[in-house]
Amino acid sequence: QSVLTQPPSVSAAPGQTVTISCSGGTSDIGNNHVSWYQQFPGSAPKLLIYDSNKRSSGVPDRFSGSKSGTSATLGITGLQTWDEADYYCATWDSSVSAVVFGGGTQLTVL
Amino acid sequence: QVHLAQSGAEVKKPGSSVKVSCKASGDNLRNYIISWVRQAPGQGLEWMGRIGMGRISSIPGIQKYAQKFQGRVAITADRSTDTAYLELSSLRSDDTAVYFCAREMGAADFNSWGQGTLVTVSS
Repeated sequence: QSVLTQPPSVSAAPGQTVTISCSGGTSDIGNNHVSWYQQFPGSAPKLLIYDSNKRSSGVPDRFSGSKSGTSATLGITGLQTWDEADYYCATWDSSVSAVVFGGGTQLTVL
Repeated sequence: QVHLAQSGAEVKKPGSSVKVSCKASGDNLRNYIISWVRQAPGQGLEWMGRIGMGRISSIPGIQKYAQKFQGRVAITADRSTDTAYLELSSLRSDDTAVYFCAREMGAADFNSWGQGTLVTVSS
């Protein structure tokens, strides 16, 4: 069971907007920045968002990140079929001095 | 940009150990942190631990292990060749996973990843 809670799946049509939530606690999201990763089957994850809301180099501005209290959100606007992937949130957990990941969210672009 | 190249797939017996390597190359290799993350088949990402490379390695508390793996994992490095190693002992079938190394830019910010190493534990 993951420390950070994400919905197992989300779906939306091409061109629409989708948000993926990541819920934690005071020792993790509440006091640390959040990162977001995109992963295609058989590939390594790719950093999309770091420091909760900064896009990694080369990431389109369709991707955005935000954080409020003990929750974070990844937003994707203008969905493309190639956005279909698994998305993971991650942060530092100060109580155990470790990186923790969410369980992952599978995005389906219908 | 940093490129991370990992060693090849391994098949191990239960109870044995495995050692996976991760060689860094590219720019800005003076001070950086390498973390190890694993992913069991069909499952999510799981952080295992990290090690400092370069002068940063001397900072207290840089090297960490996830509690779950304490006593069973060792992360080491040959800093002369910019290579990090993950050794996992007392292997069980549920250790079957792809093991990734990743360069840590900031806590939980992994901006470069190795290609992954599949470790299969089977009798």
